[in-house]
Amino acid sequence: KNEVEQSPQNLTAQEGEFITINCSYSVGISALHWLQQHPGGGIVSLFMLSSGKKKHGRLIATINIQEKHSSLHITASHPRDSAVYICAAYGGTASKLTFGTGTRLQVTL
Amino acid sequence: DAGITQSPRHKVTETGTPVTLRCHQTENHRYMYWYRQDPGHGLRLIHYSYGVKDTDKGEVSDGYSVSRSKTEDFLLTLESATSSQTSVYFCATAGGTDTQYFGPGTRLTVL
Repeated sequence: KNEVEQSPQNLTAQEGEFITINCSYSVGISALHWLQQHPGGGIVSLFMLSSGKKKHGRLIATINIQEKHSSLHITASHPRDSAVYICAAYGGTASKLTFGTGTRLQVTL
Repeated sequence: DAGITQSPRHKVTETGTPVTLRCHQTENHRYMYWYRQDPGHGLRLIHYSYGVKDTDKGEVSDGYSVSRSKTEDFLLTLESATSSQTSVYFCATAGGTDTQYFGPGTRLTVL
């Protein structure tokens, strides 16, 4: 069983829809990261959060430390949001991350 | 974005040959990491470094070695490449207890 689980694995949405991607972890963490990877592209960090909620543009990330659960929300989705979204748990040792397997999102017109 | 480059970006090699991938950073970050990314597995840590000449194994280190003789360079070596090492390899860096910055990736094919 992976220490970091994401759901769903694949997600298709129409432009304008509200999207939620979930991440559950079983390891003790001090922070959780959300990353974005475009097809054939590199990986960029979207958020790092250890409590509460963070917002950047149309993206919102929340975390519940007690329930060991985080969500990434995308409001008013757009085709350019199509990418793989990866959550990663930071355990505090040498800044090492444990990654989920990613959620592949496709947003259609 | 942190200045992280990887070379080569693409490589095709034959089973049994040695391969070295290079990661170069210009941010003076202390920590550097090598990951491989495979379908169904996500990113998995191969080796990491927490300073010059200080390295340690990750979860999938068998068949790989690393070296870090300068802060800015972290080399990943496959002593004798196998087909199971066909993958996309990412380097990442971190300054401390913060986010990691990823390089563009190297696509390695072992025939």
